[in-house]
Amino acid sequence: EVQLVETGGGLVQPGGSLTLSCAVSGFSISSNYMTWIRQAPGKGLEWVAIIYVGGHRFYGDSVQGRFTIPRDNSKDTLYLQMTSLRPEDTAVYYCARGGSSGDYYAHWYFDLWGRGTLVTVSS
Amino acid sequence: QSALTQPPSASGSPGQSVTISCSGTSNDVGNSHNYVSWYQQHPGKVPKVMIYDVTKRPSGVPGRFAGSKSGNTASLTISGLQAEDEADYYCSAYGGDNNLVFGGGTKLTVL
Repeated sequence: EVQLVETGGGLVQPGGSLTLSCAVSGFSISSNYMTWIRQAPGKGLEWVAIIYVGGHRFYGDSVQGRFTIPRDNSKDTLYLQMTSLRPEDTAVYYCARGGSSGDYYAHWYFDLWGRGTLVTVSS
Repeated sequence: QSALTQPPSASGSPGQSVTISCSGTSNDVGNSHNYVSWYQQHPGKVPKVMIYDVTKRPSGVPGRFAGSKSGNTASLTISGLQAEDEADYYCSAYGGDNNLVFGGGTKLTVL
């Protein structure tokens, strides 16, 4: 079965750190661009980070310098390492697979999503 | 990068057509990449891509869903509205320089 399963969410104090995991099955993360997208409670979607097939990584302005998006191809697992967490980082974090468009390029759409994991930053 | 602008709400009766707009700038919606996507999200559910590359429908998405773009504004049109179409809809656009911007979302009500 093709799926993504996020784990690692929870309650963390402001200034703290947390690492999310996204274990995939049914496809290889090394062959797909992958992303993290978050959704604050009752709010809209916000792009967080992306990792390309070649390994290049890019981040949204609000998390630049605080979050990183490594992956372990041997485990088919994507991660989101979060540091210096703020209350405004409270959200459900989704990992998602980049969709294929038949060419070499990432078309920045996401065709398979996990169910998400909730991160709450609060004292 | 500023969020794309969507109307907070839209509505239509079963069988009617409804169009949701997504307004951006020449740096995102209006750029030459044409990487505009639309996502449907039912309450408590995971987002689902309905349109990508402005006009393309993934396999399994009904033909009632159509995307378009004119200048800096993209649109999602749902024809033959059905009760199951009631959901939140989000647009997204590649902003160049390896970043993505989303719209604030539109809550679609089927009357």
